[in-house]
Parts: sequence; structure tokens; C-alpha cells
Amino acid sequence: DMKVTQMPRYLIKRMGENVLLECGQDMSHETMYWYRQDPGLGLQLIYISYDVDSNSEGDIPKGYRVSRKKREHFSLILDSAKTNQTSVYFCASSPGTGGYEQYFGPGTRLTVL
Amino acid sequence: TQTVSQSDAHVTVFEGDSVELRCNYSYGGSIYLSWYIQHHGHGLQFLLKYYSGNPVVQGVNGFEAEFSKSDSSFHLRKASVHWSDSAVYFCAVSARTGKLTFGDGTVLTVKP
Repeated sequence: DMKVTQMPRYLIKRMGENVLLECGQDMSHETMYWYRQDPGLGLQLIYISYDVDSNSEGDIPKGYRVSRKKREHFSLILDSAKTNQTSVYFCASSPGTGGYEQYFGPGTRLTVL
Repeated sequence: TQTVSQSDAHVTVFEGDSVELRCNYSYGGSIYLSWYIQHHGHGLQFLLKYYSGNPVVQGVNGFEAEFSKSDSSFHLRKASVHWSDSAVYFCAVSARTGKLTFGDGTVLTVKP
């Protein structure tokens, strides 16, 4: 069964703390993504990873960095989290590089106080 | 750059009705079009995609979509909706760069 997992599902942090969001997929997909979803703003692309150590900025990369050391695993890191980074974060994966068929994880709800 | 427009923010129908959710796009080249569904509190789920060939494509759970180059549209349809189809539906386009551009979404409410 094709699956994208995200950990943790819920996270509360204080402003200035570091945050690590983890994503895994069991489909050997080349391409992986991090999005954030906010009411009224829809889905915004943070980073794309085309494969191990091959990452590219999305539309809103500022304040975020990523790491992909294994094909099945993609991490999103917030160094010194800010309150405006409170959001729901989704990870997705896609076979190939076209990106038109993406499989999403269940999301991580991050609150930065 | 590609853009996606979903003109209806909210659509309400009764169970058993047919429904059409509209999507229009703008892009000068070849693109992939797709639809996703998001139930409350969950991630997006891929429904169907189109790139070429038969302009009517079938997806999961009885959904289908029809591509029209002349209208720059990719509308999603279902002949008979169920209460469990209540969700937010996103149209998306990709210019094969690996990036998807999503529409703002249409909230479908199915009343019993």
C-alpha cells in the first residue's frame, strides 16, 4: 500500500526553538516536496527534492531548510522558529520529475508560540 | 508561468445529484492537469490526471474530468454524489518542471 508518513502529527514549539519535521515514503519516488497550507492562502511550495542531495527552493523557502540523505526520507528544518511559521505542513512524493501526480502525507500541525 | 482558476469557492448539492467543479488554466505550452481531494484534517489525495489523448479521463470513486483546449478548462464531474464526497477539491497544473500550481480550491458540501 503506497504511503507517505509524517512525524510528528502535532507539534508545539516556542519562538526561537529549532523544529524538525520528518517525512517518509515507501514508493521509491524520486521527487519529494514540502508545502505549507494556511487558510486563505492555499498550498505553498517550500522546497522540492529531485533525489538524494538534490534540493531546490520552492516559492517560499525563506526560514526553512531541508535535508534528503536517503531517497525515502525528506526532512524540513526550521532554525529558530517564528510565530508566522505556525501552519499545517504537508510532505508529498511523486514518481519521476514531472510532479503532476503527487502523493501526500497526513500533515503536521505546527504551532509556534 | 501557469495559473489555475477555480471560479466556485463553494458548491452545495444533495446526495444523488450530479456535480461539476470548474477549473480553468492559462499556460502557453504543454501541461499536465490534475485534480486532488482533501477531506477535513487530512492530506490531499490524487484523483486523476490528463496530459494527452482522450480528453475525458476517469478517476477514483466515480469521478471524471474533461479537458478542453479551446476553453482552457479541466472540469471535474460526478454523476451521483455521496455524502462522503464532501471535501475540498483542488485543480492543479504542472509544466513538467516538477512543480504543481494549485487552484484555491472548491468546497463541496453534499447534503443528505
